[in-house]
Formats: sequence, structure tokens, C-alpha cells
Amino acid sequence: AQTVTQSQPEMSVQEAETVTLSCTYDTSESDYYLFWYKQPPSRQMILVIRQEAYKQQNATENRFSVNFQKAAKSFSLKISDSQLGDAAMYFCAYRRAGGGADGLTFGKGTHLIIQP
Amino acid sequence: DVKVTQSSRYLVKRTGEKVFLECVQDMDHENMFWYRQDPGLGLRLIYFSYDVKMKEKGDIPEGYSVSREKKERFSLILESASTNQTSMYLCASSLRADSPTYEQYFGPGTRLTVT
Repeated sequence: AQTVTQSQPEMSVQEAETVTLSCTYDTSESDYYLFWYKQPPSRQMILVIRQEAYKQQNATENRFSVNFQKAAKSFSLKISDSQLGDAAMYFCAYRRAGGGADGLTFGKGTHLIIQP
Repeated sequence: DVKVTQSSRYLVKRTGEKVFLECVQDMDHENMFWYRQDPGLGLRLIYFSYDVKMKEKGDIPEGYSVSREKKERFSLILESASTNQTSMYLCASSLRADSPTYEQYFGPGTRLTVT
């Protein structure tokens, strides 16, 4: 079974600084998807960024980027120029590729605090 | 914009009651999911459905059942609620898994308290 590990229950960063959230995963599959989801306080979970395992290039979305190390099974999220609105729970998630429905396997989450 | 709605944001039920949590999506998604979210445990998959009347067990199906009579609606049923089912329940939907833009869209969640 796949597992996703987020080793940082909580992280704190000063506004405008850069922060990196860690995620490692375990799988025997060669093709899969990795995701970072953001859950602001009392608000809906939203997708931040997605990475396909077959793509070597790291995904980026504006201030958000990932460092995908397939051999090391590592998938960290870097947030540049942190803003107060970035404060949230961040979840790393895994899904195997291929047809058929399949749920996501989530890590336990990292609570990100932005210090003004 | 994809919209996933859940029937209640907060729900309080008594032990032994039958509880229905409803989820509706408006984007004609084939797949729908129910997760449970607990502090320090992340999200865990309870059940999912890939078509009307089709369902598959997730990682923690015990004590739950589901129903999908229409494509847009997916219900989670607690046959006899227990206090250990007090949790946040999140519904999600997605296109077919082999779609190039596969991702899951989440509802706002239902915080269920069983007393």
C-alpha cells in the first residue's frame, strides 16, 4: 500500500520569506500523480499544484513550485514571497496513474503559519 | 467553476441514529469520493464511486455505506452512529481517472458530532 509522510506538523515563516514543506512517499508504482492541496481555516480544500511522475520538469504555479525527486520519492513544496493568505493546512497526496477510479492517499498535513 | 456542495456544514446526532450525509456536484464528474478528516491523521478514504450505482470500499469503510442513484449525487450513510464517527467528512468529485486533467474537487465539509 502507498503511504505519504509529511514530517513537519507545523511550520512558521515570516511574511515575504520563502518556506519549503516536505513530503515523502512510498510506492512500487512507476507512474503516478502527486498533489499539494491547501485547506485554509474553515474553507474548502483546493488544489495548489500537481506533478505527473513521468515528467522530469518540476511543476510551478506562480509563487508555488515543487522539487520532485523520483528516485528519492520526495515531493517538497516551495512557497516564495509568503503572504498572509497562504496560512493554511497543506496536504501532500498521491494517486496511482492509469484507468479506473481511485482515491487519493494523503499525508497528515502541515500547518503553515505566516508571521506578519 | 466546479462546485461540490454538501447538505450540512454542522450536524449533531445521537448515538444509534441513522445519519445521511449528502453531496452534490454540478460538473458531470464520473467519480465521487467520501473522506474522513481527523486532526493528526489527515484525510482517509471511506468509499468511492466511479459510476451510478457502482461503489468501491476505501481504506476505512467499516460502519459506513454509500448510495449513488444519480450521477451528480453521492450519499454517505452511517447506519448506527457511534461517538468514534465524530469527525469532519469531505466529499470530492473528479473526471475519469484517465482524463488528462484529473484532479479531485472538494466540498466544504460536514462537521459531524455524535453524542
